[in-house]
Amino acid sequence: DQQVKQNSPSLSVQEGRISILNCDYTNSMFDYFLWYKKYPAEGPTFLISISSIKDKNEDGRFTVFLNKSAKHLSLHIVPSQPGDSAVYFCAASARTGGADGLTFGKGTHLIIQP
Amino acid sequence: GAVVSQHPSWVICKSGTSVKIECRSLDFQATTMFWYRQFPKQSLMLMATSNEGSKATYEQGVEKDKFLINHASLTLSTLTVTSAHPEDSSFYICSARGGVTDTQYFGPGTRLTVL
Repeated sequence: DQQVKQNSPSLSVQEGRISILNCDYTNSMFDYFLWYKKYPAEGPTFLISISSIKDKNEDGRFTVFLNKSAKHLSLHIVPSQPGDSAVYFCAASARTGGADGLTFGKGTHLIIQP
Repeated sequence: GAVVSQHPSWVICKSGTSVKIECRSLDFQATTMFWYRQFPKQSLMLMATSNEGSKATYEQGVEKDKFLINHASLTLSTLTVTSAHPEDSSFYICSARGGVTDTQYFGPGTRLTVL
């Protein structure tokens, strides 16, 4: 049973608009959440994280929102740029900073169209 | 900063042979390193957690005698796939915990193909 779910395998967004990627989790022990960006045949690149004591974290064009009661988080990218086209993974850990191994979702392939 | 390297980036081997994959944190010390595996169109799955100077902790279903992990220093962990079989063909990725944000930084991965 998947503990971290990304229900949209792919998402197409026009350049300049907002990209919203969603992630749901089932394990209430998860305390720390991360988003990674990945290109084929490469390792994931860390984007942004959020602790369960917060509901929002912002870093440049990237903002992560956490709704703990709904066990839902989302990554907003605004404005979307062609270089943002990649697979985005949501990951969760039961300890802050990802001190434990991470549990990943299956990823969402974001396609930014010119 | 927070760069993690893996070597080799890809390897092809015959069934029954052993393959060693190295994971290095280049510009920070990592007391903890992790090994993941990704099958095509699947998510990354944690295989084991490796702490410097101690035995690795394996996830359920991962054979510790088949996937030998050594974390000899604060910057190097190795994964040895022993007696590899075609079903072990996968993309193996390591991560190291550390850096400014003290989060997990991933290596570029190693594509293993067992013939």
